[in-house]
Amino acid sequence: ETGVTQTPRHLVMGMTNKKSLKCEQHLGHNAMYWYKQSAKKPLELMFVYNFKEQTENNSVPSRFSPECPNSSHLFLHLHTLQPEDSALYLCASSQERRGTSNYGYTFGSGTRLTVV
Amino acid sequence: QKEVEQNSGPLSVPEGAIASLNCTYSDRVSQSFFWYRQYSGKSPELIMSIYSNGDKEDGRFTAQLNKASQYVSLLIRDSQPSDSATYLCAVSGNNRLAFGKGNQVVVIP
Repeated sequence: ETGVTQTPRHLVMGMTNKKSLKCEQHLGHNAMYWYKQSAKKPLELMFVYNFKEQTENNSVPSRFSPECPNSSHLFLHLHTLQPEDSALYLCASSQERRGTSNYGYTFGSGTRLTVV
Repeated sequence: QKEVEQNSGPLSVPEGAIASLNCTYSDRVSQSFFWYRQYSGKSPELIMSIYSNGDKEDGRFTAQLNKASQYVSLLIRDSQPSDSATYLCAVSGNNRLAFGKGNQVVVIP
């Protein structure tokens, strides 16, 4: 496996369900991110992890809960979502040096989430 | 003021023509600049990075950076239908990349 892999690719869940999105990076990067991309909207940064520590939470509702057990894995736990949470959820990783993103982010293929 | 602005609407270009995309940013201390391509329903893919003032060419793509004017652009020469996508400008700052909203490019055969 190379790059950043995300599973599942597609997910349909009811508003009372609990599910998790998984992301794994094989690039040796030290930072990982969750982004939300809704139709016709720009990328929205949700969470940032640097060296497994959460460094940013952009006012994301508590029904989204991130977990970063090690520098290669990132999860997004979902519960009691709303239909407006339907979107493409993208994971990304990067190699950070002293807070400067010198090399850009590598994105996973995303999870297309539909909440019914 | 938004961190990264891409203000142009959808851009339609004939096949073989040059597509020109512009991006401005607000953080003067930004050091790294990127262009991503995103096909519909797919994830963003890094296509260009630029760190110094001037031009950087890679195949049919040329990135141009002017730090004094806080401006970065992307030129796509000999546009092909496969270039039809949304192009995202990204600028480093505040320990993360800031993304613009993207510009859609449609190449007409």
